[in-house]
Amino acid sequence: SQQGEEDPQALSIQEGENATMNCSYKTSINNLQWYRQNSGRGLVHLILIRSNEREKHSGRLRVTLDTSKKSSSLLITASRAADTASYFCATDAGNYGQNFVFGPGTRLSVLP
Amino acid sequence: DTAVSQTPKYLVTQMGNDKSIKCEQNLGHDTMYWYKQDSKKFLKIMFSYNNKELIINETVPNRFSPKSPDKAHLNLHINSLELGDSAVYFCASSQYRYGYTFGSGTRLTVV
Repeated sequence: SQQGEEDPQALSIQEGENATMNCSYKTSINNLQWYRQNSGRGLVHLILIRSNEREKHSGRLRVTLDTSKKSSSLLITASRAADTASYFCATDAGNYGQNFVFGPGTRLSVLP
Repeated sequence: DTAVSQTPKYLVTQMGNDKSIKCEQNLGHDTMYWYKQDSKKFLKIMFSYNNKELIINETVPNRFSPKSPDKAHLNLHINSLELGDSAVYFCASSQYRYGYTFGSGTRLTVV
């Protein structure tokens, strides 16, 4: 299985601090995605990074991808209480790219 | 105007019953999915349908059967429900290699 695994499992920070979450995977990918899940809700797509990209930004989010280390990181800058959620990385499994495998997630708590 | 809608949101039923969960997307996406999220938050793909063809069927018991009347709908039918089927089931859709759009989930409790 090339399931991505997020690290840490849980992270607690103060508002205004930066939060960094990591994702490691096992086999080659075409792209990697990050999702957020608020408690009791569905997953929301945050950002997609392709295997030929090294870094991508979206607002306060910064995603990096190191294919040599088979790892990715998600940085949330200037965190807010509303960022409290679980964050998942998902990797695609093949050249058709239809089967994305999700990791167990990182539970982020941003304290006011 | 929810992009991916699934019903019901909550479902409580007894062991042995048969139940269905409906999913509809209005995004024009070609592929729809069902994922199961267990109590530890692990998300596992169950099925995906592309242009009415099943293209992925992971090791899911045959008590679970997806039904897609058209590319905007993918319903999940479950026969002979078991305690271990209790979980949150998410429907999602995507357009080739782009991000998934998820529904808000159906919390199934089997008692």
